[in-house]
Amino acid sequence: NAGVMQNPRHLVRRRGQEARLRCSPMKGHSHVYWYRQLPEEGLKFMVYLQKENIIDESGMPKERFSAEFPKEGPSILRIQQVVRGDSAAYFCASSARDREGEQYFGPGTRLTVT
Amino acid sequence: GEDVEQSLFLSVREGDSSVINCTYTDSSSTYLYWYKQEPGAGLQLLTYIFSNMDMKQDQRLTVLLNKKDKHLSLRIADTQTGDSAIYFCALKTGTASKLTFGTGTRLQVTL
Repeated sequence: NAGVMQNPRHLVRRRGQEARLRCSPMKGHSHVYWYRQLPEEGLKFMVYLQKENIIDESGMPKERFSAEFPKEGPSILRIQQVVRGDSAAYFCASSARDREGEQYFGPGTRLTVT
Repeated sequence: GEDVEQSLFLSVREGDSSVINCTYTDSSSTYLYWYKQEPGAGLQLLTYIFSNMDMKQDQRLTVLLNKKDKHLSLRIADTQTGDSAIYFCALKTGTASKLTFGTGTRLQVTL
């Protein structure tokens, strides 16, 4: 009964490269949420997705960031042309369709931009 | 937008009770949560309370909600060294699915 899985756990990218972060929700969960945690801060909501749909992207930066949750496979958070300010921990959470109030978090991906 | 405040640091002795506090501004919060984050790890959902409840107890954890003062607290009885972590309160507001987090309280348990 695996929990939310994220990979990679650590990712190092040079400025200008692309970062791809993957999230596999808990079994039976169809809702995925991405949050970002900057050093010494709380988590900030980025985007909420259901299969093949973006439901709420009010927390996503307007440029360089995109997210998808395809019919098959994990959810992907993609950051193009990374900058130093993108260095953070990116957490994915999932919930069941009728239990949006219960979000379970993955271990996070720690992105370092050099 | 929603504003969620927590004190940054709390130090307690092993065996004592810890009380971690959280205040918020939006009265339409529907779910209120406590998450625990250990160093380098993800967030563990500890407990949550519906906005129509005043209190919830789960083993060593007691959550109190004062809706009038918009104040949420987490009491940990018989605090152990394994409880050392950062504790985040979080809110779900209205029909939105996203959670809004506080800044986190670092709990240090001393011997």
